[in-house]
Amino acid sequence: SQTIHQWPATLVQPVGSPLSLECTVEGTSNPNLYWYRQAAGRGLQLLFYSVGIGQISSEVPQNLSASRPQDRQFILSSKKLLLSDSGFYLCAWSNPGAINTIYFGEGSWLTVV
Amino acid sequence: QKEVEQDPGPLSVPEGAIVSLNCTYSNSAFQYFMWYRQYSRKGPELLMYTYSSGNKEDGRFTAQVDKSSKYISLFIRDSQPSDSATYLCAMSAEAAGNKLTFGGGTRVLVKP
Repeated sequence: SQTIHQWPATLVQPVGSPLSLECTVEGTSNPNLYWYRQAAGRGLQLLFYSVGIGQISSEVPQNLSASRPQDRQFILSSKKLLLSDSGFYLCAWSNPGAINTIYFGEGSWLTVV
Repeated sequence: QKEVEQDPGPLSVPEGAIVSLNCTYSNSAFQYFMWYRQYSRKGPELLMYTYSSGNKEDGRFTAQVDKSSKYISLFIRDSQPSDSATYLCAMSAEAAGNKLTFGGGTRVLVKP
């Protein structure tokens, strides 16, 4: 069966510090990978999605970036965090072409202070 | 106006009652409709998905889609305290590739 792992689960970072959130998927090949953000009391906002190694599409211009160095690895980064970057970050995956079944990881809570 | 509207709640019901949740949307191109359950501080879990209009039943859960009214519903029968969570609707159009548009979620509290 497929599993998705995301870490760290919780982090508190000062403004201006870098960020790296990592996600890996097991039990599937060539998955579509996603990074979402969920602000408090708000819906999920798609940040990045990837259909293959090195292929990243950005949905929201901001100081975040994503990379996919391996087939089942997806990384969310920032060089300098802003207070507005605080939120709940979710990695997700789906089978290619299966837009009706996206599966989420457990999420990473980021607080920028 | 948001593309997908969902009442944030909270919706409080006694154990055993029927929970009724709904979302309205404005994009007539949406073809795929999903419901996710999200427990506090956890990732969303896919509950059900439907394609186009109609009903779908899975155990205590029933999803309904009315494309003519741009309205979708989720019903939870015989609600349990473990059903207390936030329920998110999501939808997608075929031409949109792999992008889901989410509602803001409805918080549900089932009281014993």
